[in-house]
Amino acid sequence: GNSVTQMEGPVTLSEEAFLTINCTYTATGYPSLFWYVQYPGEGLQLLLKATKADDKGSNKGFEATYRKETTSFHLEKGSVQVSDSAVYFCALSGFTGGGNKLTFGTGTQLKVEL
Amino acid sequence: GAVVSQHPSRVICKSGTSVKIECRSLDFQATTMFWYRQFPKKSLMLMATSNEGSKATYEQGVEKDKFLINHASLTLSTLTVTSAHPEDSSFYICSARTSGRHNEQFFGPGTRLTVL
Repeated sequence: GNSVTQMEGPVTLSEEAFLTINCTYTATGYPSLFWYVQYPGEGLQLLLKATKADDKGSNKGFEATYRKETTSFHLEKGSVQVSDSAVYFCALSGFTGGGNKLTFGTGTQLKVEL
Repeated sequence: GAVVSQHPSRVICKSGTSVKIECRSLDFQATTMFWYRQFPKKSLMLMATSNEGSKATYEQGVEKDKFLINHASLTLSTLTVTSAHPEDSSFYICSARTSGRHNEQFFGPGTRLTVL
């Protein structure tokens, strides 16, 4: 079946540091890949997505490239801010016997300090 | 953007009681709603998918008589945890999808259930 593996947190960085959160996946066919962000007390929000190999999703300074050869979708940001502190979920959308569904990673908590 | 609300945000109940959680899409019509369960440091696990006006489709291993789902309108779905026990304590999250938004799912803030 489909699965998503992402690095465990928490990840603690100083403001303006470079961020990488690793995500790898296992899926049949050609899934779409997503990063969701959950700020404290709020629901998950779509941060970015990529629907095919070599696509790069980007939003709010975050980027991730769909790498089919390494089955990865690592999240990066060049300079994090305190306001980026949140939990980040990698996910894939793939067709299973029951229809098109999202499969999530365990989430990585990011803490950005001054 | 599209907003999904959940009520209550937090509930504590005694073992053996039933708890109802509401999920509402506030500014769009949700043709499909999803219910997830999240354990500490674990993935969101899909429990069931419901389409308005029809019976929910449950994932393998999820007891449909335990977790009753009603999707009575295009803006409201409810999850009722019947005869709750401490092992049902968890974070329950709903999401809603409409066909007009590239099938994107919009998530509610979640409900923390604690069963004593």
